[in-house]
Amino acid sequence: DAGVTQSPTHLIKTRGQQVTLRCSPISGHKSVSWYQQVLGQGPQFIFQYYEKEERGRGNFPDRFSARQFPNYSSELNVNALLLGDSALYLCASSSERDLAQGNYGYTFGSGTRLTVV
Amino acid sequence: AQSVSQHNHHVILSEAASLELGCNYSYGGTVNLFWYVQYPGQHLQLLLKYFSGDPLVKGIKGFEAEFIKSKFSFNLRKPSVQWSDTAEYFCAVNAGGTYKYIFGTGTRLKVLA
Repeated sequence: DAGVTQSPTHLIKTRGQQVTLRCSPISGHKSVSWYQQVLGQGPQFIFQYYEKEERGRGNFPDRFSARQFPNYSSELNVNALLLGDSALYLCASSSERDLAQGNYGYTFGSGTRLTVV
Repeated sequence: AQSVSQHNHHVILSEAASLELGCNYSYGGTVNLFWYVQYPGQHLQLLLKYFSGDPLVKGIKGFEAEFIKSKFSFNLRKPSVQWSDTAEYFCAVNAGGTYKYIFGTGTRLKVLA
């Protein structure tokens, strides 16, 4: 059973550019969350999607957007990149059955390392 | 606002030493509590979790954590660490009924062989 897969693994962009990060959840998982992990800090919540609907949004500017597709994969878009957007972007998935049973343990992917220069 | 504090940022231990990493959170309602581990170059992995019931939770690799509601704490323990436990450890809180995790800043553990 494949885990949460993210692509690309590494990315270098220039300030002002736009970037799209991709995530495929574990098969059968309908919920996808995105987190930003800046070096030396814990992950910060960006978005959560379920069944293509946004369920939650963290304290990030409108330059950050996301969407979820019918196959439950997801994309995170960041426009007008700033140096401060350099971070590891993590995707996590969970199944609604697990959530309904109170099992809130997400499974995380390995992340996309974004460097903005 | 919810927050999670991990007071030990860097910990260095010798093999076989005992480990306790502190985690305190601020939220007055029902919470779910987690410890995640991130080995060098690897993704976040769930070590253990607490939802309800016995406040002493046992996880993988010999780790355990104790939820003390009155102290808003969820400290991670291991009686005898190994060199392979070298990693970064994150405490996380999820307020009951939401899907958002609040993570602490992490504790880097180095175990000397």
